Amino acid sequence: NAGVTQTPKFQVLKTGQSMTLQCAQDMNHEYMSWYRQDPGMGLRLIHYSVGAGITDQGEVPNGYNVSRSTTEDFPLRLLSAAPSQTSVYFCASRSARDAPSYSNQPQHFGDGTRLSIL
Amino acid sequence: AQKVTQAQTEISVVEKEDVTLDCVYETRDTTYYLFWYKQPPSGELVFLIRRNSFDEQNEISGRYSWNFQKSTSSFNFTITASQVVDSAVYFCALSEGSYNTDKLIFGTGTRLQVFP
Repeated sequence: NAGVTQTPKFQVLKTGQSMTLQCAQDMNHEYMSWYRQDPGMGLRLIHYSVGAGITDQGEVPNGYNVSRSTTEDFPLRLLSAAPSQTSVYFCASRSARDAPSYSNQPQHFGDGTRLSIL
Repeated sequence: AQKVTQAQTEISVVEKEDVTLDCVYETRDTTYYLFWYKQPPSGELVFLIRRNSFDEQNEISGRYSWNFQKSTSSFNFTITASQVVDSAVYFCALSEGSYNTDKLIFGTGTRLQVFP
C-alpha cells in the first residue's frame, strides 16, 4: 500500500501561473482533505471532501479549487498563483468507518508538497 | 468557535530532561476529539495519539504521556527522559464533534529542541 501520495514534492511557480497538486490514496477512504502549513500558523484546512462528488470549503479556500470525481483522487488547483500561496501543502485521508474510540491512526497524511511562488 | 492554543513556540532542553508541551482548546461541542502529531525535520506528520472527550484517562506510551483535563480544557503532552530524536515540531489538534468529516483544527505547534 502506498497510502497517501502527493505529487509533486517540490514546485516553483511564477505569479499568475496555474497548477494542480495531485493527491491519491489507495485505501478506499471516503474522507479527504487539503491543508496548508505556513510558518507560525500551524496547518489550516483549505478544502475537504466526504466522498466522490462532494466537496466543501475549509478555513482558507480562496484561490483554490477542488473536485472529487473518484474516491482515490482529490486534486487541488491553484487558478492564478500568488506569492501568498507559498506554503507546504498536505493532503490527508481517513476512512468513514474509522471509529473515534479506536487508538489506531486516524488520518493518513501525505508527505507534503513544498510550493514556492515567485 | 473551535480553537487550539499552543502557547509555547519553542522549547529547548538537554537530553534526559523531562519536558511538557501545553495544549489548551476551545469548543462548544460536548463530543470532540483531540490529537497530537509530531513533525520531525524531514517534514512528514506522525500521528501520536487521539483522545475523545469522554475518556479523561491519562495515557502512557513508553516515554510519552498525555494528561487530558476537561476542567481546564487542556491536553498536555509530556516526554520523559527526552532524547535528541525527539527534536521536532509537535502539533495539538481538535476535530469537530460529529467526526463525520475530516476537519482538524491545529494549534500553531511547539518546536522542541533536545540538545545532547
